[in-house]
Amino acid sequence: EVQLVQSGAEVKKPGESLKISCKASGYNFTNYWIGWVRQMPGKGLEWMGIISPGDSDTRYSPSFQGQVTISADKTISAAYLQWSSLKASDIANYYCARRFIGSYHPGDFDYWGQGTLVTVSS
Amino acid sequence: QSALTQPASVSGSPGQSITISCTGTSSDVGSHKLVSWYQQHPGKAPKLMIYEVSKRPSGVSNRFSGSKSGNTASLTISGLQKEDEADYYCCSYAGTSAVFGGGTKLTVL
Repeated sequence: EVQLVQSGAEVKKPGESLKISCKASGYNFTNYWIGWVRQMPGKGLEWMGIISPGDSDTRYSPSFQGQVTISADKTISAAYLQWSSLKASDIANYYCARRFIGSYHPGDFDYWGQGTLVTVSS
Repeated sequence: QSALTQPASVSGSPGQSITISCTGTSSDVGSHKLVSWYQQHPGKAPKLMIYEVSKRPSGVSNRFSGSKSGNTASLTISGLQKEDEADYYCCSYAGTSAVFGGGTKLTVL
C-alpha cells in the first residue's frame, strides 16, 4: 500500500529554522517525483516545488524559489521541505504528494500525505 | 505566475449537472493538454479527479468529466450527489512548474 506519512505539527517563532518530512512507503521511492503544496488557513492550494528523489533534480515555483528548500534522502525514502528563517506568513498546512508515473505534468499527484500544520508565532 | 481563475462558488441540486471553469493564459492552460482537477473535502487532502484535461484516474466516477477550449478548462459533474460537495481546484502545467486555480466551493442544495 502506497503511503506518504508526514511529520507532526510544528510551532515555531519568527526567524527560526524548520525542516518537515514526508516518509514514503509501499513503492520504489526513486521512481516518482515528490511535490510540496501549501494551503494557508482558509485558502487555496499553491504548488511550491517538486523533486526527483533518484537524482535530486528539483524544480520550484517562482513564488517559492529562494524561500524554501526541497530535498530528499533516497536511503530512507524521505522528502523534506525546509525554511532557514520562518515568517508569520509561512503559517499554513503543507502537503507532500507523489506525482504519478508517466505524467508530464508536475501537478499530477496521485497520493498525498496527511499534511503538516506549521504555526509561526512570537 | 498568477493563479488560474475559477468562480468562487457554484451550486446545484442533486441529480443536476454543474460546470466549473478554470481560465488561464496562452502560457499555461492554453498551451498544452496538461490540466488536472482536484477535489478537496474539509480537513482532507486533495484527491485527483481529472488529469490531462479529460482523463479519469482509476476509481473516479464517470460522472466527472473535463474539457478545454483555448485558455479555459472546465470540469463538469453530472448527476450531482451530496458527497460531491467540496472544494475543487484546477491545476495547469506552467513550464517547469505548475499553478493551481483559486478554488471553487461546490454546494449541493
